[in-house]
Amino acid sequence: QKEVEQNSGPLSVPEGAIASLNCTYSDRGSQSFFWYRQYSGKSPELIMSIYSNGDKEDGRFTAQLNKASQYVSLLIRDSQPSDSATYLCAVNTGGSQGNLIFGKGTKLSVKP
Amino acid sequence: EPEVTQTPSHQVTQMGQEVILRCVPISNHLYFYWYRQILGQKVEFLVSFYNNEISEKSEIFDDQFSVERPDGSNFTLKIRSTKLEDSAMYFCASSGQEWTEAFFGQGTRLTVV
Repeated sequence: QKEVEQNSGPLSVPEGAIASLNCTYSDRGSQSFFWYRQYSGKSPELIMSIYSNGDKEDGRFTAQLNKASQYVSLLIRDSQPSDSATYLCAVNTGGSQGNLIFGKGTKLSVKP
Repeated sequence: EPEVTQTPSHQVTQMGQEVILRCVPISNHLYFYWYRQILGQKVEFLVSFYNNEISEKSEIFDDQFSVERPDGSNFTLKIRSTKLEDSAMYFCASSGQEWTEAFFGQGTRLTVV
């Protein structure tokens, strides 16, 4: 059974701090990794993708991938109250199209 | 910015009735998906679709489910005989290439009573 694990939180950080979100996955054959943000009652919104080991930065977001440890993380710098949401880690299944397996998500709360 | 659109946003149906959920994927995308999310649970893969046929389906996608691309723009999910446990948010997604970013529609909340 292919699994994606996340700490469900809630993770609470003060405004302006760095939020660190973590994810582990079970399938060593996975090649594509994604972070989605989901506000309550809304759909997943893609914020980062990462395909190779190392760091990938996009604005205030940095995704980190370590395939040897089967570990993906997301750092959010200068956290804002508007970043308060559930962050979903998603990993491709290795199926024919790269269908996604999602973790349960980590709920982030940024306090003003 | 191109987006995936889904209709209706909310559908209430009686148990045993058929429902059709509709999606318009991003126009130049070729890979289409349906996912669902039961309230408070994680997003689950249902089915993927490429070149007018199903590429892969999950255990959830049993004989009561079907998908279709009836024309060049729409992508539909049909549930033939709805059950109470089919109540969930259903998300359509599309991607331009396999193994790459999938973009989600705003979802259809299906309530079976």
